[in-house]
Amino acid sequence: DTAVSQTPKYLVTQMGNDKSIKCEQNLGHDTMYWYKQDSKKFLKIMFSYNNKELIINETVPNRFSPKSPDKAHLNLHINSLELGDSAVYFCASSQTWDSLQAFFGQGTRLTVV
Amino acid sequence: AQTVTQSQPEMSVQEAETVTLSCTYDTSENNYYLFWYKQPPSRQMILVIRQEAYKQQNATENRFSVNFQKAAKSFSLKISDSQLGDTAMYFCAFMNSGANSKLTFGKGITLSVRP
Repeated sequence: DTAVSQTPKYLVTQMGNDKSIKCEQNLGHDTMYWYKQDSKKFLKIMFSYNNKELIINETVPNRFSPKSPDKAHLNLHINSLELGDSAVYFCASSQTWDSLQAFFGQGTRLTVV
Repeated sequence: AQTVTQSQPEMSVQEAETVTLSCTYDTSENNYYLFWYKQPPSRQMILVIRQEAYKQQNATENRFSVNFQKAAKSFSLKISDSQLGDTAMYFCAFMNSGANSKLTFGKGITLSVRP
């Protein structure tokens, strides 16, 4: 029933590892996003995909690579994890790229040790 | 680039009272959208209310209403009859219209409702 679901909800990993966070939406939306919420709760967009095409890339390090196998999924792969990558990562979706409502997943708390 | 400023880091209100959360923004665009999102301890981001810049009438959703002052670039949220379940972080957000639209968030404000 969950509209936007992310897995895992919690992820603890060591520096230097590679990890992925998965996101799926069952709303039939065309557009999906990744946002990062840092330790000070500041939320910032990282990527946006519309119909599997990248439309926004907000100067995110190359170690972060989004992958959209179909428009219902937008996964986030992170290489060579660093301590500063520790944050909560939110996936979101909207009907189209200019929709007025974005639906957020519950977030994935990533802790790099 | 657009910026959203929430200058109050935290506020507290007595249950059943009214509280106003402030937000200002900066943009050179004429057409855009403004939002308030709620993030309770569960971490879920929940849309509270939204306002289209071209609409003069302030948006209202039950106990939540906004005071949108376009010339002053101000977008405050008023919560009436505060309830314990309103305790959360509240984020003001801006979205540009057109291609590559995205949400730009303020730093958020922590609201505590006291019993």
